[in-house]
Amino acid sequence: ETGVTQTPRHLVMGMTNKKSLKCEQHLGHNAMYWYKQSAKKPLELMFVYSLEERVENNSVPSRFSPECPNSSHLFLHLHTLQPEDSALYLCASSQYGTSSYEQYFGPGTRLTVT
Amino acid sequence: SQQGEEDPQALSIQEGENATMNCSYKTSINNLQWYRQNSGRGLVHLILIRSNEREKHSGRLRVTLDTSKKSSSLLITASRAADTASYFCATGLSGSARQLTFGSGTQLTVLP
Repeated sequence: ETGVTQTPRHLVMGMTNKKSLKCEQHLGHNAMYWYKQSAKKPLELMFVYSLEERVENNSVPSRFSPECPNSSHLFLHLHTLQPEDSALYLCASSQYGTSSYEQYFGPGTRLTVT
Repeated sequence: SQQGEEDPQALSIQEGENATMNCSYKTSINNLQWYRQNSGRGLVHLILIRSNEREKHSGRLRVTLDTSKKSSSLLITASRAADTASYFCATGLSGSARQLTFGSGTQLTVLP
């Protein structure tokens, strides 16, 4: 257990559905991240929330919409996805503003778009 | 192109042998980290080395960093079957040290 939980662990959705992924961290961190991991590709950073600032990877399509209501919770809202969006979506957290740079990852949500 | 690239892409060794994985990167970094991922799971942080450090140890792990060659290596000594996993290097760039860029990883298989 890393202190970062993700729900659901598995999700199958059609291209016209709307769903949300949830992440919660119990580590008292103040930065949270969404990553996409596709087969045979490096982890792709999608979004960062840090000290109420949002950093976005410009290559992420608008059908992915993040929400960070507080420092412990992070959501990824999904709508009208494409089959190529099928991947493992990982959430991570870290403590911004200290000399500690390591990130703590959740177990991921395996998303399949049909 | 990606910042970190691991070599080899796959490595298979016998239990008890040492495993060495390499990582190369392109730009100046603040820190370099190694993570481990068991199949289909989240990543687990193993070790971090800062740009002003050359070598670091943690248990059976030894990491080296050569900033002149922009490369790092991860050595796992006396490997065990439980070390079977994918290993990733991740670089924190100067100026945005907390945003990590990951490589594609090395798949390590330790045969019992």
